[in-house]
Amino acid sequence: QVQLVQSGAEVKKPGASVKVSCKAFGYSFTNYEINWVRQASGQGLEWMGWMNPNSGRTGYSPTFQGRVTMTRNTSISTAYMEMTRLKSDDAAVYFCARGSKRRGYEFDSWGQGTLVTVSS
Amino acid sequence: DIQMSQSPSSLSASVGDRVIITCRASQSVNFYLNWYQQKRGEAPRLLIFGSTDLQDGVPSRFSGSGSGTEFTLTINGLQREDFATYFCQESFTTLLTFGPGTTVDI
Repeated sequence: QVQLVQSGAEVKKPGASVKVSCKAFGYSFTNYEINWVRQASGQGLEWMGWMNPNSGRTGYSPTFQGRVTMTRNTSISTAYMEMTRLKSDDAAVYFCARGSKRRGYEFDSWGQGTLVTVSS
Repeated sequence: DIQMSQSPSSLSASVGDRVIITCRASQSVNFYLNWYQQKRGEAPRLLIFGSTDLQDGVPSRFSGSGSGTEFTLTINGLQREDFATYFCQESFTTLLTFGPGTTVDI
């Protein structure tokens, strides 16, 4: 079945960068966009951007433009999200989610989440 | 930018109850509205897409309705496993904005 498996928890210092991976199983990786969504502790969901694994094209929320880069390695069906210049309020759980276009656009499968802690 | 709101922000209910959650958009999103369920410590799960379509594997006690700016998620006959937080999301714009969530507890 469709499954997205993310890399493990990270602890970073302010100003550092973090790169989270998301490996896809059970479907053709290049046929669906991968989105990234973050959730600070006890807070709501914040969409960060999308990446087309076939073309490599990306689109980012203005909130993250210039600080986030989404890439992929199609040979291992893995998407990546890298965030630079980390701040304390970037501490959150980061999810990858598969984008599906059936009636509009929806996230039909999600990774388990990666906790990123930012602390000096 | 479209702003999404949900009401109530939280509610208490009992097993067997009918629960209705409302999501409002600051401008029309047509029928491009999704609903997700998130249990504590887990990833969100898609319940409803395109305002009314039930995702595969989701129990039929969940249903969605609405168009334009006002939408509802209804749970008919709340089960213990339904105690969770529910988020709406618009897919009319490229910003894919989520609502703030509604927590359903006992």
